[in-house]
Amino acid sequence: EVQLVESGGGLVQPGGSLRLSCAASGFTFSSYWMHWVRQAPGKGLVWVSRIDSDGKITTYADSVKGRFTISRDNAKNTLYLEMNSLRAEDTAVYYCGGSYRQNWFDPWGQGTLVTVSS
Amino acid sequence: DIVMTQSPDSLAVSLGERATINCRSSQSVLYSSNNKNYLAWYQQKPGQPPKLLIYWASTRESGVPDRFSGSGSGTDFTLTITSLQAEDVAVYYCQQYYGTPLTFGGGTKVEIK
Repeated sequence: EVQLVESGGGLVQPGGSLRLSCAASGFTFSSYWMHWVRQAPGKGLVWVSRIDSDGKITTYADSVKGRFTISRDNAKNTLYLEMNSLRAEDTAVYYCGGSYRQNWFDPWGQGTLVTVSS
Repeated sequence: DIVMTQSPDSLAVSLGERATINCRSSQSVLYSSNNKNYLAWYQQKPGQPPKLLIYWASTRESGVPDRFSGSGSGTDFTLTITSLQAEDVAVYYCQQYYGTPLTFGGGTKVEIK
């Protein structure tokens, strides 16, 4: 069964840091580009970042550039998102998603909630 | 950035009737070298992640019922649900993958009338 399972979300104070993980199984993780997409409560989907299959090319949305770092460990079939200098507007459910050859998202994880609040 | 604009924000349709959702991009997402439109559609039910329905603007993902269809080219696209079923209640999003940042429409909420 194809599966992506996020973890690492929680409550963090403004200016704090958090590291999200996304564990993949059931497909050839190392062949997929991987992404993080977030969704603020009651709002729409916003792409955050992506990383190529080898982990060498990364791209970020302007809103997180310089604060977030995407990485992956193909030996562990795991994607990461290191989030620093967190702001209230970063509060969202963070989904990891895979893309194969083209940048539509399939599969998706179930998401992990990040809340930035004092 | 390519801005994706969906309309309407919400619509209520009777069971068995047709639902039509529109998506417009601020620039063409048609790649001339392969004549493909870099547009996907997703369905998101409450408390669930999005689910891929359609890619290349009109290619249905495996397992997606054939009452879902996508059409359009260039900057104007449509997702049609013929004969709406109760399980189709959801928010639907379009997404362009022509360029980065990858961008989504604001979503269209489909309800039963």
